[in-house]
Amino acid sequence: DAGITQSPRYKITETGRQVTLMCHQTWSHSYMFWYRQDLGHGLRLIYYSAAADITDKGEVPDGYVVSRSKTENFPLTLESATRSQTSVYFCASSSLAGGLHEQFFGPGTRLTVL
Amino acid sequence: GESVGLHLPTLSVQEGDNSIINCAYSNSASDYFIWYKQESGKGPQFIIDIRSNMDKRQGQRVTVLLNKTVKHLSLQIAATQPGDSAVYFCAGRPNSGGYQKVTFGTGTKLQVIP
Repeated sequence: DAGITQSPRYKITETGRQVTLMCHQTWSHSYMFWYRQDLGHGLRLIYYSAAADITDKGEVPDGYVVSRSKTENFPLTLESATRSQTSVYFCASSSLAGGLHEQFFGPGTRLTVL
Repeated sequence: GESVGLHLPTLSVQEGDNSIINCAYSNSASDYFIWYKQESGKGPQFIIDIRSNMDKRQGQRVTVLLNKTVKHLSLQIAATQPGDSAVYFCAGRPNSGGYQKVTFGTGTKLQVIP
């Protein structure tokens, strides 16, 4: 019963490189989300998905790409990483009927862009 | 736009005492608020929520108070325990918004002194 998992947990990369952060959930939740968390800021929504093949921008989508070919996976790709994308990234999921109170978060991926 | 912030970055409380964590919001159109707990190295976890038609809501050892007049909400933790040590932050959503409209606060670190 893994719930929601993220990989890798830690990643160091260089400016300009492509990086993909993985998110996998075992609940068959319809909704999945990507957030970033930075010091001095609260969580900020990057992208979210209401179902497979349906994605939508959040507050800070620039520089990120998402896809959702399968319900259980929601990878986040930084096509050309920048230092400003150094952050902790959280994936979350919720059921079709679930609201914010039923949003479950993964453990996070700490990304450092040098 | 919506902004949600916390008054104090760190709060130290003696084990067994009650804790009060505060949060202010700017958008009077916000109608739904959530408190999260985030332990070190983990993702946020839902604690309790409240709608704007309520002044108070109680959970297990936690109470959320909402004062719409001064746009302030607080989280009270009764009989604080070492396991309560974490960062706590609030989130608010305007009544016309979806997931994209949720604004998260930056957090207060609660330290429980044994």
